[in-house]
Amino acid sequence: AQKVTQAQTEISVVEKEDVTLDCVYETRDTTYYLFWYKQPPSGELVFLIRRNSFDEQNEISGRYSWNFQKSTSSFNFTITASQVVDSAVYFCALRGLIQGAQKLVFGQGTRLTINP
Amino acid sequence: DVKVTQSSRYLVKRTGEKVFLECVQDMDHENMFWYRQDPGLGLRLIYFSYDVKMKEKGDIPEGYSVSREKKERFSLILESASTNQTSMYLCASRPILGPTLANYGYTFGSGTRLTVV
Repeated sequence: AQKVTQAQTEISVVEKEDVTLDCVYETRDTTYYLFWYKQPPSGELVFLIRRNSFDEQNEISGRYSWNFQKSTSSFNFTITASQVVDSAVYFCALRGLIQGAQKLVFGQGTRLTINP
Repeated sequence: DVKVTQSSRYLVKRTGEKVFLECVQDMDHENMFWYRQDPGLGLRLIYFSYDVKMKEKGDIPEGYSVSREKKERFSLILESASTNQTSMYLCASRPILGPTLANYGYTFGSGTRLTVV
């Protein structure tokens, strides 16, 4: 079965601190896709990144960076110099190529609060 | 921009009522999904549809049914609402060629927060 675990339920930091959101996944598929979404108070899920299992290169986009490590089945998300606008619930998700194809399996979500 | 519109932002219904949650997308996507979001559980798939009149159960289909008579509309039906169905419901759509897109094509609505009293 496929599973995504976000062990951190809530994180609260002061603005400008760096913060890392953890994501650990389980799948038997050899090819799979990992995603991060942001859910602001308005409710819709905003796509942040997709990573393919065969591409372990880490990615940086402005203040956001992602560390994909197949050896530990982790796909962690770091926000550098956090800002109040980063406050949201963040979800990590997995989509297999064979198992559970067509659906995204989500983690429990991490509520991030950035205090001014 | 692709839009997925959920007809109601907030709904309050009574136990035993039949409830319809509506979702409409405007980009001719073949696949549509209904998820339920609960604190500490994340999003869980209720039902999805590959195309018109086609549907498949997700991980938690009990107590729900769906209808897809037209490509753009995917309805979630609570046959007899119960208090344990109080939740946030999110609809999503995706084109068949989704894998060619950076975001895999998934687009989510803003959600319907349903309270069953």
